[in-house]
Amino acid sequence: DGGITQSPKYLFRKEGQNVTLSCEQNLNHDAMYWYRQDPGQGLRLIYYSQIVNDFQKGDIAEGYSVSREKKESFPLTVTSAQKNPTAFYLCASSIDQAGGYTDTQYFGPGTRLTVL
Amino acid sequence: GQQLNQSPQSMFIQEGEDVSMNCTSSSIFNTWLWYKQDPGEGPVLLIALYKAGELTSNGRLTAQFGITRKDSFLNISASIPSDVGIYFCAGLFLAQGGSEKLVFGKGTKLTVNP
Repeated sequence: DGGITQSPKYLFRKEGQNVTLSCEQNLNHDAMYWYRQDPGQGLRLIYYSQIVNDFQKGDIAEGYSVSREKKESFPLTVTSAQKNPTAFYLCASSIDQAGGYTDTQYFGPGTRLTVL
Repeated sequence: GQQLNQSPQSMFIQEGEDVSMNCTSSSIFNTWLWYKQDPGEGPVLLIALYKAGELTSNGRLTAQFGITRKDSFLNISASIPSDVGIYFCAGLFLAQGGSEKLVFGKGTKLTVNP
């Protein structure tokens, strides 16, 4: 089946540790995104990547890092510099059409990170 | 930057009732998307709207792209318990540099009482 997978579903870490969240897609989508969701808030963009080996900061990139070495994979690292890392993290992907126009974004199931 | 005002923030309704929610903005959008998120899951796309004035249905769901391109609404008819969840609107707009960006509303939390 085609889709986006995120693992693990639940993740617990001690304060001060870096942690990497996985996101994989087999939809052959060019663009991938990471969002953070907090209770009562909309989705806030952390980082996005429109092509392999290139990525851009979103609205709340501080304390996070990403890589895009393969088209299918866009891992997110939550570093110890992130002041309030406990949240629900969502990965998404979309076809990135020519001219910078993006298509509808499809989401993975999410990873709930709790930092103790 | 572009912001979407989604309302209502939450709704409590009886099974069988119709539901209406909307998103408004002071900015123009090229595409409107409506997503539903079940607890602990990622949002799932319900309806995509690409043209001003467009009215699109998906089963009991109907959504419209406002004629001014600054708003959109979603209606759910004859609600059932499985309609429970958070509904998000999202709008695609043309950002500086010529690329399109997506912005989300804060969601409408729907509770359906059997």
